[in-house]
Amino acid sequence: EAQVTQNPRYLITVTGKKLTVTCSQNMNHEYMSWYRQDPGLGLRQIYYSMNVEVTDKGDVPEGYKVSRKEKRNFPLILESPSPNQTSLYFCASSRLATGITYEQYFGPGTRLTVT
Amino acid sequence: AQSVTQLGSHVSVSEGALVLLRCNYSSSVPPYLFWYVQYPNQGLQLLLKYTSAATLVKGINGFEAEFKKSETSFHLTKPSAHMSDAAEYFCAVIGISSGSARQLTFGSGTQLTVLP
Repeated sequence: EAQVTQNPRYLITVTGKKLTVTCSQNMNHEYMSWYRQDPGLGLRQIYYSMNVEVTDKGDVPEGYKVSRKEKRNFPLILESPSPNQTSLYFCASSRLATGITYEQYFGPGTRLTVT
Repeated sequence: AQSVTQLGSHVSVSEGALVLLRCNYSSSVPPYLFWYVQYPNQGLQLLLKYTSAATLVKGINGFEAEFKKSETSFHLTKPSAHMSDAAEYFCAVIGISSGSARQLTFGSGTQLTVLP
């Protein structure tokens, strides 16, 4: 089954304690992206990657890091989490080619609470 | 540059009534447009997409949307609401141009409530 998986689904942590949220896709997609969802703000892009070793900032990258060492994986790293990073996080992936319809597939989400 | 505006953060309809969720976009290039649905405690699922073919697009679960370039709109409709349609709906746009990054820009979402 084609899917994007994220782990963990729920995480409660304390300020300053480094954490990683994993994202993996089994569709051989070139493009992957991280979003955060906050009430009234919709989804905002944090980082994206066009291919292995190619990453770039989205709209709200401060406080986050990413890496793309393998095509299927795109972990999100919070080196020193703060309460304002409490949010619902989504990973997404899509093909990247001329003529393809740019549909993005989303993971189930990770609800992060930073106290 | 591109942006999406969804009018109405909350919409309530009665079961069996017409559903109309509004979306207006701005894009410096001809856009691709999407509607996603998010059920409680789930990720986003694609409802339908416009990719410069037919302006009236049919999606899953009886939803459809019409691309109107003159109005820069892409409103989502369903003739008869069902209780299972209660969810949050997001309109999204991606501007397509040579060499552009694939930035999908989302609206702020519309929470649809279906009343019995």
